[in-house]
Amino acid sequence: EAGVAQSPRYKIIEKRQSVAFWCNPISGHATLYWYQQILGQGPKLLIQFQNNGVVDDSQLPKDRFSAERLKGVDSTLKIQPAKLEDSAVYLCASRMEDGPYEQYFGPGTRLTVT
Amino acid sequence: AQKVTQAQTEISVVEKEDVTLDCVYETRDTTYYLFWYKQPPSGELVFLIRRNSFDEQNEISGRYSWNFQKSTSSFNFTITASQVVDSAVYFCALSVRRSGGSNYKLTFGKGTLLTVNP
Repeated sequence: EAGVAQSPRYKIIEKRQSVAFWCNPISGHATLYWYQQILGQGPKLLIQFQNNGVVDDSQLPKDRFSAERLKGVDSTLKIQPAKLEDSAVYLCASRMEDGPYEQYFGPGTRLTVT
Repeated sequence: AQKVTQAQTEISVVEKEDVTLDCVYETRDTTYYLFWYKQPPSGELVFLIRRNSFDEQNEISGRYSWNFQKSTSSFNFTITASQVVDSAVYFCALSVRRSGGSNYKLTFGKGTLLTVNP
């Protein structure tokens, strides 16, 4: 079974530029998560989707971050405009359905904002 | 609010030593789930174990063992006879049902960087 796919793996941009990350969850997984992991910290949830609906986006900086999951499969996370403090690893995770069980993580996208 | 504390930022051991990673959690929920994840240099978080709040039985899986104690709100992880391949960042995490909802939220600790030297 293929795991969670993410691209790109690395991205370097200048502040005020825009960037987009892509995630393809495990086939059949209805729940999809985007996390931000700043160096030296644990992952922090940005947004959770159940199929193509948003379950929780309370920690998503909506003035600059946006995410969508059209058709309930792939998802895109966008930052526009980027700030220096957005430098982090962005992790995508998925699971079959929402619940207290383990999530399956992708390799992440490492973003550097200069 | 939920909180997970991993007081050990970094641990360095020599191969074959035993090492314990500490995890202390805070929650007012009576039903909750605890996890350990491993994050190797490749970046992907790998699930290791899940325990629910009603099951305090300790678990052993090969060289890995977990000690869950509700009385001290701790869920510690021990690696016996450590190996170089165990070098990674290890995260403890807590999952509880969101207030007023049926969904669950996962809260991570800051992680412990384990380095196993040959």
